[in-house]
Amino acid sequence: GQQLNQSPQSMFIQEGEDVSMNCTSSSIFNTWLWYKQDPGEGPVLLIALYKAGELTSNGRLTAQFGITRKDSFLNISASIPSDVGIYFCAGRGTGFQKLVFGTGTRLLVSP
Amino acid sequence: DAGVTQSPTHLIKTRGQQVTLRCSPISGHKSVSWYQQVLGQGPQFIFQYYEKEERGRGNFPDRFSARQFPNYSSELNVNALLLGDSALYLCASRRYSGGAEGTDTQYFGPGTRLTVL
Repeated sequence: GQQLNQSPQSMFIQEGEDVSMNCTSSSIFNTWLWYKQDPGEGPVLLIALYKAGELTSNGRLTAQFGITRKDSFLNISASIPSDVGIYFCAGRGTGFQKLVFGTGTRLLVSP
Repeated sequence: DAGVTQSPTHLIKTRGQQVTLRCSPISGHKSVSWYQQVLGQGPQFIFQYYEKEERGRGNFPDRFSARQFPNYSSELNVNALLLGDSALYLCASRRYSGGAEGTDTQYFGPGTRLTVL
């Protein structure tokens, strides 16, 4: 099935460091969403973006909707151990369009 | 308000059997979608239902079917199970007021872990 290109595939960082990950698509999307998933759980919505160029923050998380509408970025500042998990981007077109997910970024944080 | 609920949590079946998974959306949400997540991959879209009608279908065989009830809950049925059907099945609900569609996001349940032996 279709999946968006997400990078990096995995990251191992020290507590307190900042993290950046991005997601690219060959298709244009009208909505970009970022989710975090813990093992055996469903994805939890972190940030939703609805307009090209939009920059939105949620605590230590900041995400941007790319101008071309084909990419999005997520930044996590001052990482903490509970940030550990898999982060997925997801894009959606208009109307009843499905969500298309990225391949995921696995984040490990060392105390 | 309760979030999206799914049952059962875990399920073990053998090849050739049939399975039914259940989902209750967030109160007030009228749209339910189903996703399959194979280990190590992102979720893949299976179905979307809105107001009891199928609105979208992913690239899955006819062995997969679903329906939505008047109370907006939903069932996903999979017939003639294959080993490759082993996955986490996720349900997501969305309000979809039909107005400002762009501000209407999707929330996931905890999933049903299906193992096919």
